[in-house]
Amino acid sequence: TQLLEQSPQFLSIQEGENLTVYCNSSSVFSSLQWYRQEPGEGPVLLVTVVTGGEVKKLKRLTFQFGDARKDSSLHITAAQPGDTGLYLCAAHEGAGSYQLTFGKGTKLSVIP
Amino acid sequence: GAVVSQHPSWVICKSGTSVKIECRSLDFQATTMFWYRQFPKQSLMLMATSNEGSKATYEQGVEKDKFLINHASLTLSTLTVTSAHPEDSSFYICSAQSGTVTQPQHFGDGTRLSIL
Repeated sequence: TQLLEQSPQFLSIQEGENLTVYCNSSSVFSSLQWYRQEPGEGPVLLVTVVTGGEVKKLKRLTFQFGDARKDSSLHITAAQPGDTGLYLCAAHEGAGSYQLTFGKGTKLSVIP
Repeated sequence: GAVVSQHPSWVICKSGTSVKIECRSLDFQATTMFWYRQFPKQSLMLMATSNEGSKATYEQGVEKDKFLINHASLTLSTLTVTSAHPEDSSFYICSAQSGTVTQPQHFGDGTRLSIL
């Protein structure tokens, strides 16, 4: 089983601050996904990164896939209270596998 | 976008009761559906994978006789927790996927199961 380690586990910041959360593994992935989950709801896909070194932007969110495709980061600029939630990274177990393995997530709280 | 509906969203029942949870893909055909369990402050753990018309594949440690999965059509999968006990209390989430592994999984909003 491929292990995805996310850090930090918890993060509490003031509105307007910037932050970065990380997703690391010793395994190489063909692709990696980031989700956001709010309490009592299912996860919502934010982005899929595929190419090593790839950078994708989604408004104030910037996602980067490591050159070796073993790690990824999510950077949020000028965080807003609406960004509060659990951020999960996930990857498929092996090439051609349908199954997703999730990291434990980073619980982000943005204080107004 | 693709919508997955999960029902019920919340259920409370007595120990020993069997509970059925439905997962429907509303605007696409789901060749594969997944069932996850999420305990408080933990991540999603895959329980089983089901393909339409065939038996589900269970992850190690998941009792197939306790968690019955039926994927009778391309738009509906059900998870039945049989003879539920308090330790089965959790947040159960389904996801649905169409086509190949490169297609994204679309998640339902989950079912909060509380066994008294």
